[in-house]
Amino acid sequence: GQQLNQSPQSMFIQEGEDVSMNCTSSSIFNTWLWYKQDPGEGPVLLIALYKAGELTSNGRLTAQFGITRKDSFLNISASIPSDVGIYFCAGRPSLDSNYQLIWGAGTKLIIKP
Amino acid sequence: GAVVSQHPSWVICKSGTSVKIECRSLDFQATTMFWYRQFPKQSLMLMATSNEGSKATYEQGVEKDKFLINHASLTLSTLTVTSAHPEDSSFYICSNLGGEFQETQYFGPGTRLLVL
Repeated sequence: GQQLNQSPQSMFIQEGEDVSMNCTSSSIFNTWLWYKQDPGEGPVLLIALYKAGELTSNGRLTAQFGITRKDSFLNISASIPSDVGIYFCAGRPSLDSNYQLIWGAGTKLIIKP
Repeated sequence: GAVVSQHPSWVICKSGTSVKIECRSLDFQATTMFWYRQFPKQSLMLMATSNEGSKATYEQGVEKDKFLINHASLTLSTLTVTSAHPEDSSFYICSNLGGEFQETQYFGPGTRLLVL
């Protein structure tokens, strides 16, 4: 099925470093969502974005809804060990009427000891 | 955010048996719920959209007679994997709609199915 282009696929960083990941689409989206999934668990919503240009923070996390409505990024500042996991972006296309989401392939965050 | 529970959290069954997975919306009524499956190291794949009081809408390639969905109440949707086979082994996750504009999906903790 259709997927968003999420990058990078994985990141190896040192504790304390900042992290940035993004998702892009060839079509316009009405909603962008960022989730984190730990092994064996369901995805947990981090940030929801509903308007183009919207910049929203949740603690050390910041996400933005791109002004073109075709992209979004997630930043994590001062990473800590519990940030390890897989981060997914998801978006609702503007022409979709049944609330289904299109998913990115995920970004695996690994923190080097 | 909305709270979603799933039961069981994991199940092991013999090939040929049927397995029922429950998904409950705990803190509000959900007319629409979604069922996903996820294979290792992959993203979520939507299987079907479950609508309260009506038939589920299945994604292309998902057999409706094999994956039976019942959404008989506003707080409960069930997924039954009938005549399960080893290739059905996967992580099954449900979600409901919530948020300010009812455009945010909140997920359950998932059910790990292993078919021997």
